[in-house]
Amino acid sequence: DIQMTQSPSTLAASVGDRVTITCRASQSISSWLAWYQQKPGKAPKLLIYKASILESGVPSRFSGSGSGTEFTLTISSLQPDDFATYYCQQYNFYVTFGGGTKVEIK
Amino acid sequence: QVQLQQSGPGLVRPSQTLSLTCVISGDSVSDNRAAWNWIRQSPSGGLEWLGRTYYRSQWYNDYAESVKSRITIDPDTSKNQFSLHLNSVTSDDAAVYFCARDWGVSVSFFDSWGQGTLVTVSS
Repeated sequence: DIQMTQSPSTLAASVGDRVTITCRASQSISSWLAWYQQKPGKAPKLLIYKASILESGVPSRFSGSGSGTEFTLTISSLQPDDFATYYCQQYNFYVTFGGGTKVEIK
Repeated sequence: QVQLQQSGPGLVRPSQTLSLTCVISGDSVSDNRAAWNWIRQSPSGGLEWLGRTYYRSQWYNDYAESVKSRITIDPDTSKNQFSLHLNSVTSDDAAVYFCARDWGVSVSFFDSWGQGTLVTVSS
C-alpha cells in the first residue's frame, strides 16, 4: 500500500495569511495526486487533481505543486471560508488518503 | 451537474449486512467514462476507499483489499443507482459512508460526492 503523510495535522492561521500544507507519499506517485477540502458534516470537495490542475469553480488562491513523493497545497491569502480540513489523495495505485490537515482560526 | 443522493439505514446489527444506495441524477450509472464508488470516513476522520463499479462494454468492479471478502457494489440501471453491500459488519465498520464519482479505467479522483450516511453498528 502507498502511505500518504500530511503535515502539519493542525495549522492555526489568520485571514490573509499564506498557508502551505505538505503531503508525502511512501513511494513515487508521479503526479497522481488530488486535494480536497472538507467542512464539518459535509462531503469532501475536490480542489485540485493531477497535483496542480485546479478543479472548475475553485478560487485561484488555491494552488498545488509537486511530483514524485512530495506535494504541497498553497492558499495564497486565507479567506474566512477556507477554515476547514484538507486531505490529499493518491491515485497512482488504487487510492489512499492522507490523514488530514485542519486549518483553524488563529 | 451530477447529483448523488444516498439512502439506507443508519443502524446495523453486528454480523449483519450493511446496505446503502446512491441514486444518480445528471449522469448515468452506465456512462462508459465514469465509475461509481463508495468511500467511508471513520469517527477519527480517516478516509478509506472501499470500491467501485463501472461499465466499459460490460460491468466491472474494483475492491479494496481490506474489505474484498465482504463487499459487493452493484449497479441498477433501471433506477440509475448503485448499491453497497458489506457483510459481517463489526464495530470497525461504523463510519460515515459516501458515494462518489470518478473517471477512467483505473480509480482516480472524486469530483462528485453524495451527502454521506452515518452508519452505527450496535445490537
